[in-house]
Amino acid sequence: DQQVKQNSPSLSVQEGRISILNCDYTNSMFDYFLWYKKYPAEGPTFLISISSIKDKNEDGRFTVFLNKSAKHLSLHIVPSQPGDSAVYFCAAKAVISSGSARQLTFGSGTQLTVLP
Amino acid sequence: GAGVSQSPSNKVTEKGKDVELRCDPISGHTALYWYRQSLGQGLEFLIYFQGNSAPDKSGLPSDRFSAERTGGSVSTLTIQRTQQEDSAVYLCASSPTVKSEQYFGPGTRLTVT
Repeated sequence: DQQVKQNSPSLSVQEGRISILNCDYTNSMFDYFLWYKKYPAEGPTFLISISSIKDKNEDGRFTVFLNKSAKHLSLHIVPSQPGDSAVYFCAAKAVISSGSARQLTFGSGTQLTVLP
Repeated sequence: GAGVSQSPSNKVTEKGKDVELRCDPISGHTALYWYRQSLGQGLEFLIYFQGNSAPDKSGLPSDRFSAERTGGSVSTLTIQRTQQEDSAVYLCASSPTVKSEQYFGPGTRLTVT
């Protein structure tokens, strides 16, 4: 039973346009969400996060939106650059209920390709 | 500074053999996590160490899997009597505290033939 789902295995966008990566979750105890980016043969690297008390967090070209009622979050990258081409993982954790952050629950990832 | 390192980067083993995977976390990080990523899947939590506390082994898929962390630093993940379904990339992560972001190593790609 996947608690974090990324239903699009791949996404292609033109350089300069917006990339929108989507993620859905089922566990209502999740209260902290993260996006990781992964290049081939490297470990995932942290990109951006959002707490459930917010609905938006922005960092440069990256913005994460959280819709708690829909249990949905999205990552917007604008403008997209060829160097953004990577696998993007959505992850979630239950901080408050578990008493500590502990492990992350990951989605299956979306391969983003930004075409020059 | 040095990031999380893992060795070996690649391991090919025959079914039924035991393997050991090593993780060197970032110095000073008290929390250490093992995950694995099977083909086409997301990262699956395996085990978590925090300081001197008993590890959280809730993600280990079978009793063939075990892990230890010596001296609060280096960790070894051991898989006994490997099976083909154990083939995956095994990723280690560490964080300064349990509530901090996790920093991942490059992973060990395990192939069981």
